[in-house]
Amino acid sequence: GAVVSQHPSWVICKSGTSVKIECRSLDFQATTMFWYRQFPKQSLMLMATSNEGSKATYEQGVEKDKFLINHASLTLSTLTVTSAHPEDSSFYICSARDWLAGDYNEQFFGPGTRLTVL
Amino acid sequence: ILNVEQSPQSLHVQEGDSTNFTCSFPSSNFYALHWYRWETAKSPEALFVMTLNGDEKKKGRISATLNTKEGYSYLYIKGSQPEDSATYLCAFNDYKLSFGAGTTVTVRA
Repeated sequence: GAVVSQHPSWVICKSGTSVKIECRSLDFQATTMFWYRQFPKQSLMLMATSNEGSKATYEQGVEKDKFLINHASLTLSTLTVTSAHPEDSSFYICSARDWLAGDYNEQFFGPGTRLTVL
Repeated sequence: ILNVEQSPQSLHVQEGDSTNFTCSFPSSNFYALHWYRWETAKSPEALFVMTLNGDEKKKGRISATLNTKEGYSYLYIKGSQPEDSATYLCAFNDYKLSFGAGTTVTVRA
């Protein structure tokens, strides 16, 4: 149980275009989903927290107009990188919290998306 | 941004040998510490949630200890096998997860 999928697994796009990444909880309902970003040899950095049906909460330094997050259902959150530039090239990974889970903010992760902006 | 450090960054282990590595984290306001195992092209897999009142955690040949007073946790792998090759992440939980950069373990047959 507790499977999270992410699509696409990799994407290459031209500078100036927008890219949408999907995160789905396959066998549980996720009231909260998280988006992380990882640069090479660095740690996963939380970008934003999204709660189903409400606006996402962005971490300091993350541009909300650049990284649009939608969490319209209990099983799907999307991250759209708008007007992508080469510096947005990174590894993006989502996680989801099971609404029925116990304490300690246990999160289940997707496999990630490698974004390359040319 | 919380400072969570893992060391070493990578290590190579001979099959059958045991190994351990460290995660250090802020020693104040401890809530929980998570360990994940992350194989290439797969999702990070939860190994342990270390809590304030918890004892040593064990899952097969992998175990973890916690010292909240001094702010560190050890992950041990006993009798390493090639399938243990992965990156092991720790994450300090203060209602958000702050990750270390990971320790990449390569087990040589």
